[in-house]
Amino acid sequence: NAGVMQNPRHLVRRRGQEARLRCSPMKGHSHVYWYRQLPEEGLKFMVYLQKENIIDESGMPKERFSAEFPKEGPSILRIQQVVRGDSAAYFCASSPPARRVTGELFFGEGSRLTVL
Amino acid sequence: RKEVEQDPGPFNVPEGATVAFNCTYSNSASQSFFWYRQDCRKEPKLLMSVYSSGNEDGRFTAQLNRASQYISLLIRDSKLSDSATYLCVVNLGDKIIFGKGTRLHILP
Repeated sequence: NAGVMQNPRHLVRRRGQEARLRCSPMKGHSHVYWYRQLPEEGLKFMVYLQKENIIDESGMPKERFSAEFPKEGPSILRIQQVVRGDSAAYFCASSPPARRVTGELFFGEGSRLTVL
Repeated sequence: RKEVEQDPGPFNVPEGATVAFNCTYSNSASQSFFWYRQDCRKEPKLLMSVYSSGNEDGRFTAQLNRASQYISLLIRDSKLSDSATYLCVVNLGDKIIFGKGTRLHILP
């Protein structure tokens, strides 16, 4: 399966711990997006990255959250000192460079973070 | 005004009926438009793109009105399997914005 791969699928953390969510885009895709979905809520844009560059992070909380997409390896969304309000599904999506024209995103199955 | 607004629903519709979803967007520079479908606790998946000329895919018809900044989705002869949340999506170039979605329940 050459789809977008996210791991872990489920992650449980205690308040104050760190959460690291990984996303491997589809083969040939160089653009990665992270979205957060709270229970019973819509998808909220967090950050848009290309390899080694953050293009738009206007949706990222100013503190505790960071994202990277290194030259080699998956994209990482990192949440430091997690709080209960961080409990959500975090979806990663990827697109080919032609996304500016097509706009289509391919989503992973999501990582569900639960903060105790 | 929110970037993308949708009626949250839920819409409870009998099987076989026609259902219409509406969506408005605030940024006139929006480049392209889509409808996605999201099943409960699953990832969103592209349903169809939306063009000014209107486009149809089987029982689904999408329409875009750029002047009114309005997008619609029509589902004819609804099936039980159409039950899901339908997300209106706008491509701003560097950012792709999702509406909160409209939940649809098809009743047997």
